[in-house]
Amino acid sequence: DAGVIQSPRHEVTEMGQEVTLRCKPISGHDYLFWYRQTMMRGLELLIYFNNNVPIDDSGMPEDRFSAKMPNASFSTLKIQPSEPRDSAVYFCASHADPGELFFGEGSRLTVL
Amino acid sequence: KQEVTQIPAALSVPEGENLVLNCSFTDSAIYNLQWFRQDPGKGLTSLLLIQSSQREQTSGRLNASLDKSSGRSTLYIAASQPGDSATYLCAVQKGTYKYIFGTGTRLKVLA
Repeated sequence: DAGVIQSPRHEVTEMGQEVTLRCKPISGHDYLFWYRQTMMRGLELLIYFNNNVPIDDSGMPEDRFSAKMPNASFSTLKIQPSEPRDSAVYFCASHADPGELFFGEGSRLTVL
Repeated sequence: KQEVTQIPAALSVPEGENLVLNCSFTDSAIYNLQWFRQDPGKGLTSLLLIQSSQREQTSGRLNASLDKSSGRSTLYIAASQPGDSATYLCAVQKGTYKYIFGTGTRLKVLA
């Protein structure tokens, strides 16, 4: 398996623009997670899905953030409108419960 | 509330040295404990997973132990190499989805 695949790897955008981050989990994994990593706050869980259903989105910082998982092999994290404080690395991760958590390479977002 | 602490925050050692990284957690009721490494600009790579019923796991030069009663895990790296330089994070799995990450130990192995 190719592992968790994220795109884009880097995104530079201007404040107010819409940003969409994409993730393909490992096949057969029924849990998908979106994390955000910053120097100040470390890794923060934003939202997780089980069998494509959002279970806990309490970590989503604001209504500007939304996430979807239309099928078992694809998820998106959208920020609209983006702000400079959203600049961070966004990671997608997946696992089959119980089991190892696997991360993608991350999407580095810079909002100017 | 579960807290995960990693000491030291940074470590610099000469090549060939055996070393130990520490991970402490406050609540012993855990599912699993997982060790990761993160290279600059990269994602987290899983190194070892220790299930709550296990005491240790080994992979190559790496050995991780788990003592739930004392709330501690150690990652032992034998014969360290410059390629081992990275940040090492431990994560405690509390439930089906809840992972609590330590802040990491930044390791530099000098050639």
